[in-house]
Amino acid sequence: QQQVKQSPQSLIVQKGGISIINCAYENTAFDYFPWYQQFPGKGPALLIAIRPDVSEKKEGRFTISFNKSAKQFSLHIMDSQPGDSATYFCAASDNQAGTALIFGKGTTLSVSS
Amino acid sequence: GAVVSQHPSWVICKSGTSVKIECRSLDFQATTMFWYRQFPKQSLMLMATSNEGSKATYEQGVEKDKFLINHASLTLSTLTVTSAHPEDSSFYICSARGLPGQGSYNEQFFGPGTRLTVL
Repeated sequence: QQQVKQSPQSLIVQKGGISIINCAYENTAFDYFPWYQQFPGKGPALLIAIRPDVSEKKEGRFTISFNKSAKQFSLHIMDSQPGDSATYFCAASDNQAGTALIFGKGTTLSVSS
Repeated sequence: GAVVSQHPSWVICKSGTSVKIECRSLDFQATTMFWYRQFPKQSLMLMATSNEGSKATYEQGVEKDKFLINHASLTLSTLTVTSAHPEDSSFYICSARGLPGQGSYNEQFFGPGTRLTVL
C-alpha cells in the first residue's frame, strides 16, 4: 500500500488552543484527502476533506491546509475543546481510479480543560 | 446523508468457528465496498476491495481463504472469518462508495464497525 505518514502520534492541547496534525503522502495520483475522527469503539467519521485544486478548506473550527508541491496536508483545529479529544486519521485515495482510502497511523488528541 | 450499517456490532465466538459480518448501504447503491481491520490503538488497514458481482481483491498478506468476501448486491457485502482464532480478534470496519454520477461516489462512507472476539 502507498504510505501516508502522519505526525505527531499524540498531542496534548489546552482548551482554547490550536491543534495541528500533519500528513505527507507519496503517490502523486492521490486526489482526495479526508480527515476522520474516531472515538473509542466507534467507526471513523468524516470530518473534512480537500481536493488538490485548492490549498485550504475551512469548515467551522476545522481547516485543512494543502501543499501539493510538498505532498503534504494538515488539519488545524481552532479553539480546541475537550469534546475534540479523539483519534484523528488522515487518509488519501485516487478517486479517479476508485481506489480505497489509505490511512495514516493516527494521532491521539487530548484537550485538557 | 449516506448511511452504512454493520451487523452484528459485536460478536464473541469460540476458536475454530466461522463468523459472518454484514455491511449494508442503507440509502444508496454501492458498486464498491471496502473491508478494513483495526487492532487496538492502531490505524485502519485495508483488507480487501469488493466490487458487486465480481471476486474481491485482497491486499498483500490477507488470506483470501480465511476471509471470505461476498458482494452479492449493490447494497450488501459480507465478510466471513473462517476457522477463527484468537489472533483474528479485531475491529472490522466496512465502507462503501456510491455509483458513478451519484453524490456519494466521491466519498467512502464507513460503517460503525464490528468487534470480533475469538476465545
